[in-house]
Amino acid sequence: QQPVQSPQAVILREGEDAVINCSSSKALYSVHWYRQKHGEAPVFLMILLKGGEQKGHEKISASFNEKKQQSSLYLTASQLSYSGTYFCGTVPNNAGNMLTFGGGTRLMVKP
Amino acid sequence: DAGITQSPRHKVTETGTPVTLRCHQTENHRYMYWYRQDPGHGLRLIHYSYGVKDTDKGEVSDGYSVSRSKTEDFLLTLESATSSQTSVYFCAISDLGTNGYTFGSGTRLTVV
Repeated sequence: QQPVQSPQAVILREGEDAVINCSSSKALYSVHWYRQKHGEAPVFLMILLKGGEQKGHEKISASFNEKKQQSSLYLTASQLSYSGTYFCGTVPNNAGNMLTFGGGTRLMVKP
Repeated sequence: DAGITQSPRHKVTETGTPVTLRCHQTENHRYMYWYRQDPGHGLRLIHYSYGVKDTDKGEVSDGYSVSRSKTEDFLLTLESATSSQTSVYFCAISDLGTNGYTFGSGTRLTVV
């Protein structure tokens, strides 16, 4: 079953912050985050393994609450280059390496 | 320097014809995947492979078959193309490490 992402879309001004949430109905082994720009392939941002760690990637970071089966992606001081669609992908426990993607969150950063 | 390439990049085909899409990798990764991407549905897994001749179905496998005779090549075949298979198809590779999936540039398939 597909994880649920929220919000579906968000518009920001440069420098503003945003949070994108990803929620699963299954116990998770890991959560991936990807960004896709229009007409391009998704690009891997980061992976979070069960254990509740938080990771960072420039001004983009993420957390993983294993108990709640949720992950959040934090974008701080957004830049124009952050525009795109963000996807979370989840790997349930005992599901090998099969990633199931959420429906995506469209992020637009305006000057 | 792309470690994964897809061919063709674009294809238009007629309903009822067979179509084969190719994914080629130079990373020697064990895992390869085929996804389709449609508006409102995100990325959905069609089939995946965990080794040469080892494949399994994903969530939307009906009407598709795959083959992997070499580590580097993963083929997706639409046995008899239908208009509902008009989509963008992405291949991805993974080594099960912490580097996530690497996606190919995609194939835009139109079935008329």
